Amino acid sequence: AQKITQTQPGMFVQEKEAVTLDCTYDTSDPSYGLFWYKQPSSGEMIFLIYQGSYDQQNATEGRYSLNFQKARKSANLVISASQLGDSAMYFCAMREETFQGAQKLVFGQGTRLTINP
Amino acid sequence: KAGVTQTPRYLIKTRGQQVTLSCSPISGHRSVSWYQQTPGQGLQFLFEYFSETQRNKGNFPGRFSGRQFSNSRSEMNVSTLELGDSALYLCASSLHQDSPLHFGNGTRLTVT
Repeated sequence: AQKITQTQPGMFVQEKEAVTLDCTYDTSDPSYGLFWYKQPSSGEMIFLIYQGSYDQQNATEGRYSLNFQKARKSANLVISASQLGDSAMYFCAMREETFQGAQKLVFGQGTRLTINP
Repeated sequence: KAGVTQTPRYLIKTRGQQVTLSCSPISGHRSVSWYQQTPGQGLQFLFEYFSETQRNKGNFPGRFSGRQFSNSRSEMNVSTLELGDSALYLCASSLHQDSPLHFGNGTRLTVT
């Protein structure tokens, strides 16, 4: 079974600093996808970034980048120049391979990020 | 393009009642999946539908059911509600297998 581990329950960072949120995963599938989502206190899950297991380069989306280390089975999210609006819960997730191409995500427990002014 | 729309946003029900939640996916998305989020268990997969067929189901009792209509809209139903069913229920849609899931704002269900 696939598993996602986020070891940081909470993080506090000063505004404008860079922050790294840790994520390790466990899977025996050769093909998989890794996602990061942001969940503000309002509840919606906002897609941030995606990394495929066969992608040669680390994914980037604006201020977000994913530090993908396949051998270590880690997919850390890096947020550059943090802003007050980045305060939220962040979830790492893996797409579980199922038959017929069914979509199923396995989520980590999340990291609550607080940006201090 | 409109995002994933879930209705209602909030719901309060009594134990033993049943509830139906609705989800309209992003236009063109044919895969719709449902997740339950609780403080204790985190985010857990309920089920996924594609072209009106359930493709995958999580580890939930039979009281939890769903369906998808020909326009890709989906509903989930929970019968004989229990206190432990209180949660945020999130719906997500995706375009194809390799595309990200886009979530709605969720329906917060409280069972008293």
